[in-house]
Amino acid sequence: DSGVTQTPKHLITATGQRVTLRCSPRSGDLSVYWYQQSLDQGLQFLIQYYNGEERAKGNILERFSAQQFPDLHSELNLSSLELGDSALYFCASSVGNWGTGELFFGEGSRLTVL
Amino acid sequence: QKEVEQDPGPLSVPEGAIVSLNCTYSNSAFQYFMWYRQYSRKGPELLMYTYSSGNKEDGRFTAQVDKSSKYISLFIRDSQPSDSATYLCAMGGYNTDKLIFGTGTRLQVFP
Repeated sequence: DSGVTQTPKHLITATGQRVTLRCSPRSGDLSVYWYQQSLDQGLQFLIQYYNGEERAKGNILERFSAQQFPDLHSELNLSSLELGDSALYFCASSVGNWGTGELFFGEGSRLTVL
Repeated sequence: QKEVEQDPGPLSVPEGAIVSLNCTYSNSAFQYFMWYRQYSRKGPELLMYTYSSGNKEDGRFTAQVDKSSKYISLFIRDSQPSDSATYLCAMGGYNTDKLIFGTGTRLQVFP
């Protein structure tokens, strides 16, 4: 158990809908990262927050947004969903910035868009 | 060209075999090199972490970094069925603002 909690584990929704994925980092970790994993693209970095502030941005679509709250949990909002958004979404956390090397990953939220 | 290239496999080997997993990269600014292991339906977990060039050994696992060739390897000795998983390389550097992952190599070790 990595200590990172993600909910929901599975989500099935329709195109055009909006969903929110939630992540609770390990106790004491200030950084939260969101990754998207699909079969053909591998693990793609979306966005990082550090202590409530956006720190780095990857290939995150404009339809997607995230935030980190004062209690350090984070939410990833996906809107106007398309079939191609179906993927595993992972949250990871670390004490500081990723440079320490170890990111602790949750078990992921599997999103299916029909 | 992707920043990090990794053969997706699958790689199927008998128990006890030596396994070699590799990644190549294009960004010479990368200085941190990691291998993550991901079991089916689980999140990735850190297996090995190396800084700059050289070798690092941990039990049956050896990580090797050749910065001149932009090539990293993970060797697994005496492979076990429990090693069956997807192995992802990851790398970053002082001038990069994110950790870049390879697509992962699926390894199957059969008894």
